[in-house]
Amino acid sequence: KQEVTQIPAALSVPEGENLVLNCSFTDSAIYNLQWFRQDPGKGLTSLLLIQSSQREQTSGRLNASLDKSSGRSTLYIAASQPGDSATYLCAVNPNSGGYQKVTFGIGTKLQVIP
Amino acid sequence: DGGITQSPKYLFRKEGQNVTLSCEQNLNHDAMYWYRQDPGQGLRLIYYSQIVNDFQKGDIAEGYSVSREKKESFPLTVTSAQKNPTAFYLCASRNVGQRGQPQHFGDGTRLSIL
Repeated sequence: KQEVTQIPAALSVPEGENLVLNCSFTDSAIYNLQWFRQDPGKGLTSLLLIQSSQREQTSGRLNASLDKSSGRSTLYIAASQPGDSATYLCAVNPNSGGYQKVTFGIGTKLQVIP
Repeated sequence: DGGITQSPKYLFRKEGQNVTLSCEQNLNHDAMYWYRQDPGQGLRLIYYSQIVNDFQKGDIAEGYSVSREKKESFPLTVTSAQKNPTAFYLCASRNVGQRGQPQHFGDGTRLSIL
């Protein structure tokens, strides 16, 4: 059974700092991995999706990396801003036929202090 | 704009009452999903549907029911058999034409017990 762990559970940083969020998964047979952002009381917004054959994906100040063999992904946020404050979740899509059940982590709650 | 609409945003249930959460999408996605989110837990799958008039139980289907009469709509009924319904409910959809496509989420419905 796939398990997804995100460390730390919460993180508080001053504005302008670069930071890294971690995601680990127990079964390396994944099809892809996705990073989401969730604002309080809202749904999930997709940030980046990395296919299993890729090592990283970039979007603006965000960079996500994937090391499938070690079961790890990181989300790097450069020059953090107060507007980045949210909960960040990672989710893995299994490499199996038929219905693909996505497994989500609990998330890392980020606070960027002005 | 294409997207997923969940309503209502807040819902209150009296004991013994069934309540229905609405989820509508105009993304022309075949697959739709219902998740439950509780504090300190990852998203848990309640039901999913990959095609009209067909749906499958997820990990925590007991006390819930769904229907999929139209491609755009996937309502979730929380029945009186669900003894702990207080949670944040998220609906998602996905294009299954290509494998590993990301899920798109609505803004959620928060259900509480009166």
